[in-house]
Amino acid sequence: KQEVTQIPAALSVPEGENLVLNCSFTDSAIYNLQWFRQDPGKGLTSLLLIQSSQREQTSGRLNASLDKSSGRSTLYIAASQPGDSATYLCAAPGSGNTGKLIFGQGTTLQVKP
Amino acid sequence: GAVVSQHPSWVICKSGTSVKIECRSLDFQATTMFWYRQFPKQSLMLMATSNEGSKATYEQGVEKDKFLINHASLTLSTLTVTSAHPEDSSFYICSAYWTSGIYNEQFFGPGTRLTVL
Repeated sequence: KQEVTQIPAALSVPEGENLVLNCSFTDSAIYNLQWFRQDPGKGLTSLLLIQSSQREQTSGRLNASLDKSSGRSTLYIAASQPGDSATYLCAAPGSGNTGKLIFGQGTTLQVKP
Repeated sequence: GAVVSQHPSWVICKSGTSVKIECRSLDFQATTMFWYRQFPKQSLMLMATSNEGSKATYEQGVEKDKFLINHASLTLSTLTVTSAHPEDSSFYICSAYWTSGIYNEQFFGPGTRLTVL
């Protein structure tokens, strides 16, 4: 059964810092992994989708990596800004090819000006 | 990415009433949609898989008679919370599943906030 864990649960950094959010999953037989952003009281915004054949994806200041063998993914945010403050969720497919997504508990990021 | 809409975006109802939430895939036909629930300060929990033309598949612990799902067409799934109670107050999010056979992705709706008084 797929389980997804995110560390840390919360993170507070000064503006301008580079930071790394971690995601681990127990079932490495995944076809992709997705990172989302969620602002308070809002829905999900898809940030990056990494296919199983890829090792990383980049979008602007965001870079996500995927290591299936170790069951880990990281989201790297460069030169953080106050506008990056949000909860970041990673999601991996559930065990078996059902299309289900299993979400981690999220990392709540606060970037202080 | 593809667009998925939900209606209503928020709803307040009295205890004991039923509430219907619609999820529409605007850009592609989705034979499979998913319904998630999110309580405050918690992550998304999958409730059920909605399959066009067949019965929904519910996750363990989710009451199928309370959360009725109808996937009437390839672009519409509905979730009806029957006899709602305050503990059903939550943020409900749907997603539409797109697959090319090789690549798969879920596209999420903006969510519906349900408050039961």
